[in-house]
Amino acid sequence: GENVEQHPSTLSVQEGDSAVIKCTYSDSASNYFPWYKQELGKRPQLIIDIRSNVGEKKDQRIAVTLNKTAKHFSLHITETQPEDSAVYFCAAASGGSYIPTFGRGTSLIVHP
Amino acid sequence: EAGVVQSPRYKIIEKKQPVAFWCNPISGHNTLYWYLQNLGQGPELLIRYENEEAVDDSQLPKDRFSAERLKGVDSTLKIQPAELGDSAVYLCASSPGQGTDTQYFGPGTRLTVL
Repeated sequence: GENVEQHPSTLSVQEGDSAVIKCTYSDSASNYFPWYKQELGKRPQLIIDIRSNVGEKKDQRIAVTLNKTAKHFSLHITETQPEDSAVYFCAAASGGSYIPTFGRGTSLIVHP
Repeated sequence: EAGVVQSPRYKIIEKKQPVAFWCNPISGHNTLYWYLQNLGQGPELLIRYENEEAVDDSQLPKDRFSAERLKGVDSTLKIQPAELGDSAVYLCASSPGQGTDTQYFGPGTRLTVL
């Protein structure tokens, strides 16, 4: 089955800095890669996703890049703000059944 | 539009007791998922429904866990009997249909087994 590794487990940055979270996956058939943000005690919420036919996708301060050859994808957050503090999960899903395998999460802390 | 609804939000029980969780997906969403989330980890799939059919339940511990989605709308996940290791957050999610659809998560039920 799919195996998703996510790094780092904790990331601490100053407000205004950029943050990068990296994930690798094992199943070359995976073709959908969503990223979720989960604030403490709340539900995971999709913040951005990318499909295998695209190398990069941006949405305001958030961007995701995908390297299918190397089987890794990354989340980039620019101009971080304290409200970006949360746990971020990457996931990989393959085929038409969409059963994502999640990474273990990255706790992002943005210091004002 | 209402999101995915789950109840209860919190549940504390003693080991060996039964417990049930309820989920109402977003209206019109055919696919429903139950996930288990342990502290500090990502969600892990327990079971997926397409309408009323369980199409992937390979990760569901069937000796003590059961689930149903009788009319293809809301769903119930049951544990009987509960064990200490079952303490976790149980998340429900739904998506419009098959394929690479966005999943929308409910707030989860935090289960504590004493």
